[in-house]
Amino acid sequence: ILNVEQSPQSLHVQEGDSTNFTCSFPSSNFYALHWYRWETAKSPEALFVMTLNGDEKKKGRISATLNTKEGYSYLYIKGSQPEDSATYLCAHYTGANSKLTFGKGITLSVRP
Amino acid sequence: GAGVSQTPSNKVTEKGKYVELRCDPISGHTALYWYRQSLGQGPEFLIYFQGTGAADDSGLPNDRFFAVRPEGSVSTLKIQRTERGDSAVYLCASSASLTGLQYFGPGTRLTVT
Repeated sequence: ILNVEQSPQSLHVQEGDSTNFTCSFPSSNFYALHWYRWETAKSPEALFVMTLNGDEKKKGRISATLNTKEGYSYLYIKGSQPEDSATYLCAHYTGANSKLTFGKGITLSVRP
Repeated sequence: GAGVSQTPSNKVTEKGKYVELRCDPISGHTALYWYRQSLGQGPEFLIYFQGTGAADDSGLPNDRFFAVRPEGSVSTLKIQRTERGDSAVYLCASSASLTGLQYFGPGTRLTVT
């Protein structure tokens, strides 16, 4: 993997469904993996910053896991709600004085 | 406290005109980033400031793009002779974290007609 890749590109689910997204990133030169949520007309907001292989983080109904050896992270949303509708971005960070390299994002739409 | 602010929120300009986009970072954040998000793409890095100096400007697409941060706080992204392909959302972010956690502004949507 040379770039940050996210799948699927978009997802339409019913309220109450659980869903998960995949982010793949270069496993070499790893420092941190970020997940951001970007709602329409708002600023992208950080969900998680993950640094350690095997890391699992949770915020309410949203959780994420990290595998730095194989270069992937999963984001899970349990019991999706309409307010979860947003674009979810993951970004790879290679260390101090470096930029974030983003995936294309996954657009989630949750139907009431 | 106040987050990152960007002005204007929307800018419509004609092809060939000059535009300036402003970013006001979180007070005390020494790192400031500019990204550009085109339709269907993730945010793409443009330039990174550490204090007043541009530490990495490798993402600027060509010499029509220039950015400054003269006092280490507010930054201005300047685009000369705008082209329709410059239409995008321009995001600014600031950071004070070793893990690279960045706080984003709401973006400026630039439309070049």
